Formats: sequence, structure tokens, C-alpha cells
Amino acid sequence: QKEVEQDPGPLSVPEGAIVSLNCTYSNSAFQYFMWYRQYSRKGPELLMYTYSSGNKEDGRFTAQVDKSSKYISLFIRDSQPSDSATYLCAMSGDSNYQLIWGAGTKLIIKP
Amino acid sequence: NAGVTQTPKFRILKIGQSMTLQCAQDMNHNYMYWYRQDPGMGLKLIYYSVGAGITDKGEVPNGYNVSRSTTEDFPLRLELAAPSQTSVYFCASSPGQGWEDYGYTFGSGTRLTVV
Repeated sequence: QKEVEQDPGPLSVPEGAIVSLNCTYSNSAFQYFMWYRQYSRKGPELLMYTYSSGNKEDGRFTAQVDKSSKYISLFIRDSQPSDSATYLCAMSGDSNYQLIWGAGTKLIIKP
Repeated sequence: NAGVTQTPKFRILKIGQSMTLQCAQDMNHNYMYWYRQDPGMGLKLIYYSVGAGITDKGEVPNGYNVSRSTTEDFPLRLELAAPSQTSVYFCASSPGQGWEDYGYTFGSGTRLTVV
């Protein structure tokens, strides 16, 4: 079993829809949770960062962590074609600065 | 600010050849990483460094080598290239100080094909 599971998609939704992207994990020591966005033929870029449980909002993006269920989510409101990308979750415990990565979900927003 | 710069962007190698992938960052980050990304497989850590003169193996180090003589540069060496090393390689850096500075900055990648 992988430490971090993420549905590879693709997930295709119409423009303006609310998008939900998710990851599950097995290591209860993880405390730091990140979402990265990767456009085609580019490197990943940090989108959202949360510590422990709870929600964090940044514009149209909301990151949610449920440590009791070992489940994290990224919500995108009013989705735009420019949001089309691969979204990778990443997480880590307290002992070092190394991240454990999900495989990424490919998101397609149809105009 | 250039961030993380990787060269070359593309390369085709023949089996058995060697090459060095260059990575440089200008953010004075302590931590640097090399990843490979294969379709549907996510990012796999090859090697990482916590500072000049200090390197350590990641998840998939076989067939690769690294050095870190300065804070800025972290080259990745491929010896005796094999088709299994066909991949996209990303270099990344992070401050490595304080949990709020956790974000990695990635380069734009090197697409390597071994034939």
C-alpha cells in the first residue's frame, strides 16, 4: 500500500463548476499538507499549505485536512479553463523536510 | 530572481553514455532535491542535500550520483545510461528552516530519453 493515494483522473468538469480533489494517507505522523499545481511540461508550484487539521482558504481555493480520517481535499470554486493542470498532494511528518507525494490528479476544465 | 534553473531542457542519450544534469538556485536555500517523474507515478526522490558538502540517497538512487560543493549548485550525474532512466528530471530547493517555509521551488525540468 502506498503511503499517499491519489486518483490519477483525468477529472473533466465544465467551467464554473466546483472541483473536489482528494488524497488519502496511511501515516498518522503526517502534520504538514501541501497542494502543488503542475501545468503541462512545467515544474510543480506550491498552491496551498496547511498544518494539522482544519481548513485554509485562498481566493477560489480551499484546502481541508481531516486527520481523523487521514484524508485531505482541495476545493476549487468557479473553476476556469486556466485551472486545467495536474494537482499533486504532498505531506510530511515532523522529523525532516522531505515530502511524500501523491501521484497527481489530472484536471480538465471544459469551456 | 531566476529561482531554480535546470539545464539542459531536453537530451537524448545512447545506452551506456554518461551525462550531468545541472541545477542552480539563487535563493540561498539550504535544501536541494532531485526527483524523477514518470507518467502516472508521481515524483520519486533520487538524492537530496541539506547543505554544501552533505548529500544523501532518496528512494531511487541507483544509477545516479550527486555532489554539492556550493549552496547554489546541485548537479546530478548519470553514469552508464539505461532505458529505465528515460524520464523527466526535476530539481527543487527549499529553505529548510521553519515549518512555515515548507514550500519547494521547482525548476522547469529536463526531459531525458535513453535509446
